[in-house]
Amino acid sequence: DAKTTQPNSMESNEEEPVHLPCNHSTISGTDYIHWYRQLPSQGPEYVIHGLTSNVNNRMASLAIAEDRKSSTLILHRATLRDAAVYYCILRDPYNQGGKLIFGQGTELSVKP
Amino acid sequence: DAMVIQNPRYQVTQFGKPVTLSCSQTLNHNVMYWYQQKSSQAPKLLFHYYDKDFNNEADTPDNFQSRRPNTSFCFLDIRSPGLGDAAMYLCATSRDLGQGRETQYFGPGTRLLVL
Repeated sequence: DAKTTQPNSMESNEEEPVHLPCNHSTISGTDYIHWYRQLPSQGPEYVIHGLTSNVNNRMASLAIAEDRKSSTLILHRATLRDAAVYYCILRDPYNQGGKLIFGQGTELSVKP
Repeated sequence: DAMVIQNPRYQVTQFGKPVTLSCSQTLNHNVMYWYQQKSSQAPKLLFHYYDKDFNNEADTPDNFQSRRPNTSFCFLDIRSPGLGDAAMYLCATSRDLGQGRETQYFGPGTRLLVL
């Protein structure tokens, strides 16, 4: 399974944009890039996913490098409620079970 | 509107005493997953059901079993809990098996304490 590398922690100020990086140099051509986040004492929550093109939704944007070896999750205006562990996960469409293989993630703290 | 419900949120059991954790879903999804998350670690998949088909991860201990009596409910049974089984247990669902795009929906988790 292709692996991802993320910084252990990042800090942000409230109402400022946050760019969370993820390296996945061994990504295969068919791997989707998924982001989930886990707020304290809660289950993980889907944020966004993409394959090749940049993606936007109501929660965030996903910028994917042209060679797909890295990606960045962008929170346009961080709020205190965005403090969470953010997981970047590669999903193989040919992997039976669709399991999510979580890495250690990035713990994002947001300062008022 | 709760979609994946886990009960109880906290469970205390004694060393060696069987315990069952429950999960229900209102999404009518085909797939249900159980993950284990130990303190300060990432979630780790134990097993999943696709409809009635059970799929165990290779490194899931025999001590852990699961039942899915119908589409809505899934149970995690720990036959003889040890101290090392204290963790958060997360239930998740997805509409179908992974084709790369499928989203998983997680419940809030049950935190298990073993005394």
